[in-house]
Amino acid sequence: QKEVEQDPGPLSVPEGAIVSLNCTYSNSAFQYFMWYRQYSRKGPELLMYTYSSGNKEDGRFTAQVDKSSKYISLFIRDSQPSDSATYLCAMKIGGYQKVTFGTGTKLQVIP
Amino acid sequence: DAMVIQNPRYQVTQFGKPVTLSCSQTLNHNVMYWYQQKSSQAPKLLFHYYDKDFNNEADTPDNFQSRRPNTSFCFLDIRSPGLGDAAMYLCATSRGESEYFGAGTRLSVL
Repeated sequence: QKEVEQDPGPLSVPEGAIVSLNCTYSNSAFQYFMWYRQYSRKGPELLMYTYSSGNKEDGRFTAQVDKSSKYISLFIRDSQPSDSATYLCAMKIGGYQKVTFGTGTKLQVIP
Repeated sequence: DAMVIQNPRYQVTQFGKPVTLSCSQTLNHNVMYWYQQKSSQAPKLLFHYYDKDFNNEADTPDNFQSRRPNTSFCFLDIRSPGLGDAAMYLCATSRGESEYFGAGTRLSVL
């Protein structure tokens, strides 16, 4: 079993839809959770960084962490064609510890 | 403004011909990482520097080496590239929170 599981998709949604991206993990020691967006042939771009359970909002993006269920989510409201990319969840035990990535979910937002 | 800069963006080399990829940062972060990412896969950590301390992942091939001459620069050397080393190579930096990535160098091996 992988430490971090993420549905690879692809996920296709119409423009304006609410998108839900999810990851589950098995290591209860993970404390830091990140979401990255990666456009084709580019490096990952940090979208959200959270430490505690609960919700964190930034514009159209909301990150949700449920440590009791070992489940994290990223919600995108009012999705745009420019949101079409691969979304990687990532997590680590401590500040300077190794980051474990999910395999990424490919999202396509159709105009 | 780019904060983690990788050069070149695209690199073509021949089988067995050494190649060096470079990374520079303007963030003054103490940690620098090198990742390898193949198509539709998660980034795979090769090694990282915590200041000058070098940390190699157990499964990183000996063919891969790194140098960090100062805080701002880090290099990835591939001594004898094989066809299986064709990938995107990502540099990232951190000061103990999240990691910031460069745009990557796409390496092709002919």
